[in-house]
This record gives sequence, C-alpha cells and structure tokens, in this order.
Amino acid sequence: GAVVSQHPSRVICKSGTSVKIECRSLDFQATTMFWYRQFPKQSLMLMATSNEGSKATYEQGVEKDKFLINHASLTLSTLTVTSAHPEDSSFYICSAREGTGVNYGYTFGSGTRLTVV
Amino acid sequence: DAKTTQPPSMDCAEGRAANLPCNHSTISGNEYVYWYRQIHSQGPQYIIHGLKNNETNEMASLIITEDRKSSTLILPHATLRDTAVYYCIVRVGQAGTALIFGKGTTLSVSS
Repeated sequence: GAVVSQHPSRVICKSGTSVKIECRSLDFQATTMFWYRQFPKQSLMLMATSNEGSKATYEQGVEKDKFLINHASLTLSTLTVTSAHPEDSSFYICSAREGTGVNYGYTFGSGTRLTVV
Repeated sequence: DAKTTQPPSMDCAEGRAANLPCNHSTISGNEYVYWYRQIHSQGPQYIIHGLKNNETNEMASLIITEDRKSSTLILPHATLRDTAVYYCIVRVGQAGTALIFGKGTTLSVSS
C-alpha cells in the first residue's frame, strides 16, 4: 500500500532556531499533501494544505510566515518551523492521498515530535 | 462534511468484540463513512470505509444502518494492540481536501 515517510521522528531545538520536517510519498506521487498539528490529549488540527508547484493554503489562525511549507516535487513536502518557541512544541503529522477515487484512503506519516527548549 | 458524534471512551476485554458507535444523522447521499485510528504517538491509520452496505476487511467490519444515520465499527477479537483513538469521519468520497478529525473514541483494551 501507499507509504508516507516523515523525518525526523523526534527533534529538540533551542528557542529562536528553525526546524525543517520532511514528508515523502515513497511509492506514489502526491500533488497535494496535508500538515497537521496535535497537542497532548487533543485531536489532530489541520494546519495547511501543501500543493506541488504552488503556494500552500493555510487554515485560519496558522501563521504562514512562521510555518513555511515547500512542495517542490510530487513526492516531497517540507514544513519549516521558523523562530521556534516553546509553545510550538507539538506533534506534527503529514498526510497524502494516492488518488482521488473513493477507494483511495489517506496515508499518514508517523509524525514528528518537536520539543522547543 | 457531515458532523459525527462518538462516545469519548470505551473499554473492552481482550479477545472480546469491540463495537464502536458513530452517529451521523445529517449525512448526505453522496457521503461515505470512514474510520481511522491513531495509536499513541503515531500517525492515523486507515481502517475501513463504506457508503451504505456493510463492509468487512482484515481489520474490522463496518455496519451502517439502513437510514445511514449511524454506524458501528466492529473489531471482532480485540487485542491490546487495538488500544487507540478511533475516528469516524463522514465526507464525499472523491473529495481531495484534508480529513477533518473530531475528538474520536478512546478505546482501551485490557487483559
């Protein structure tokens, strides 16, 4: 089945630095990928939709200048958390869909645990 | 996407069937019922989906009522590894937009 690889799985960074998270579709091409954030004991919250070759679409309340998304190829989307602060510590998850037919499910990466100290 | 309602938590004994309900009374004719689960500190995993007929795969069975206003996900023989948060999501099947997650049901399987 479709596989989405996310890297790194865990990262600790200092306040004020930037962190890049990669999301790759390993065996399919994804023109669209999705980025979520999940705080402890809460559900996944959609942050943005990443579109290959064009600008990402951000959900209301998500700062596009702080969470930079680049979808430069059909198999790779990156999320960069710029000038990270402790409140950005969270579990970040990406997702992609192999096709748009009804029988194509969404595949999720294994997530990235970001801790800002 | 239609709104769904799930109980916040459920318990199940290992080896017994786990029946997870979901209410979706405002579902439209072209909307499917999808189930995903999230094991702690992992990304969500697809389980099953259906339109109006009951569905079964190697993971679970999905029973949808005739009026489609509710459904039940059945894990026939729950194991400790089935402990997770289960999400019922209703949406148009061909939609290319992101899945929107509610609060789901936390299933705890104990020995």
